[in-house]
Amino acid sequence: QSALTQPPSASGSPGQSVTISCTGTSSDVGGYNYVSWYQQHPGKAPKLMIYEVSKRPSGVPDRFSGSKSGNTASLTVSGLQAEDEADFYCSSYAGSNNLIFGGGTKLTVL
Amino acid sequence: QVQLQESGPGLVKPSQTLSLTCAVSGGSISRGDYYWSWIRQPPGKGLEWIGYIYYSGSTYYNPSLKSRVTISVDTSKNQFSLKLISVTAADTAVYYCATAARPLTAPFDNWGQGTLVTVSS
Repeated sequence: QSALTQPPSASGSPGQSVTISCTGTSSDVGGYNYVSWYQQHPGKAPKLMIYEVSKRPSGVPDRFSGSKSGNTASLTVSGLQAEDEADFYCSSYAGSNNLIFGGGTKLTVL
Repeated sequence: QVQLQESGPGLVKPSQTLSLTCAVSGGSISRGDYYWSWIRQPPGKGLEWIGYIYYSGSTYYNPSLKSRVTISVDTSKNQFSLKLISVTAADTAVYYCATAARPLTAPFDNWGQGTLVTVSS
């Protein structure tokens, strides 16, 4: 199973919104509502930001939102803050006893 | 929320076995609330799930690693372990333990800090 496709980088200025895409196939992203997003600061463990496409765990700011259209899931960060600068990874259930991740997107706050 | 702490050798020789343990504190591994998981991340690269275990011992493994991986649980010590045999340089990674409410469809909601394992002679 191939990795989900994410842009290597994304950027925005403080206060702006940025959207990161995560493209798969009908066998993974498009076939199930089990897409998650993780934020990872350098040298730290990933942190869950979004699960089941658009649900936010307790404690995650509502500036982070998720959506899905067809085979592409998206994470939108609104009102960008300096602390949002990090790597972001998506993941999706892929059926057949498998789970796949995206290659990661480095978000830069300009 | 439980706390997770990985431990094990930081250097493993090629063809040998990588062995790591994840100690669980702040809650019992036998409560049945979670599936206990291993995920890895090669330096500068993305994440890859390795497998899950439930306190009862049932396991789910990544098909691409299944032939080399064993995950076990020790409820008396409140910990679970990972063994990966026949390692190569491609297995060099930061290894994380994590929790998930269900295998494969639930997110990894709590992570250990990770431990770097380098495969080199």
